[in-house]
Amino acid sequence: GAGVSQSPSNKVTEKGKDVELRCDPISGHTALYWYRQSLGQGLEFLIYFQGNSAPDKSGLPSDRFSAERTGGSVSTLTIQRTQQEDSAVYLCASSSPHRGSTDTQYFGPGTRLTVL
Amino acid sequence: GESVGLHLPTLSVQEGDNSIINCAYSNSASDYFIWYKQESGKGPQFIIDIRSNMDKRQGQRVTVLLNKTVKHLSLQIAATQPGDSAVYFCAENMGGGAQKLVFGQGTRLTINP
Repeated sequence: GAGVSQSPSNKVTEKGKDVELRCDPISGHTALYWYRQSLGQGLEFLIYFQGNSAPDKSGLPSDRFSAERTGGSVSTLTIQRTQQEDSAVYLCASSSPHRGSTDTQYFGPGTRLTVL
Repeated sequence: GESVGLHLPTLSVQEGDNSIINCAYSNSASDYFIWYKQESGKGPQFIIDIRSNMDKRQGQRVTVLLNKTVKHLSLQIAATQPGDSAVYFCAENMGGGAQKLVFGQGTRLTINP
């Protein structure tokens, strides 16, 4: 079956512009996560959606970052007034957690964002 | 603060040999651990996971060991193949209902022919 998909695969933008990154989770997965990976680094948690619950936004680095998840499926991560330090690979993951249990997160291929 | 780290940033082994990648974690409340493999230009790929009520779990050519006493996690890959060359990340879930993962820096494994 289809895995997590992300678009675009690469995005080059100028400093100060806004960008939108899209994530399509695995069908039926209720949880969706965004992470950021800077060059040669591990993954940094950004935001987590679970069903209709309020998202966990504790990892968003500034108020320039926001994310939405429409209809419990597709998610969009928006970065406003991009800065050069926003350059990174943005990874999306989805899972199907069960009550009281942690479930495996499956990752998409990522969007490589370059801010000039 | 809590952190997950790796002892070795790079590891080179001969094809066919076994490899061991180590990871230290600092949060004793963590109840779930995962190893991911990341090839160049791709997202992390799930390899194997282990819950805190276990100390060992085996998969196909891979074994994860968990030592809660010293907060140590390791990934053993048997009979390494060229396709095993990648960066390997350990990640922990800190429990309490939180679902976000905390990742280590990663270890680059290179398999020499």
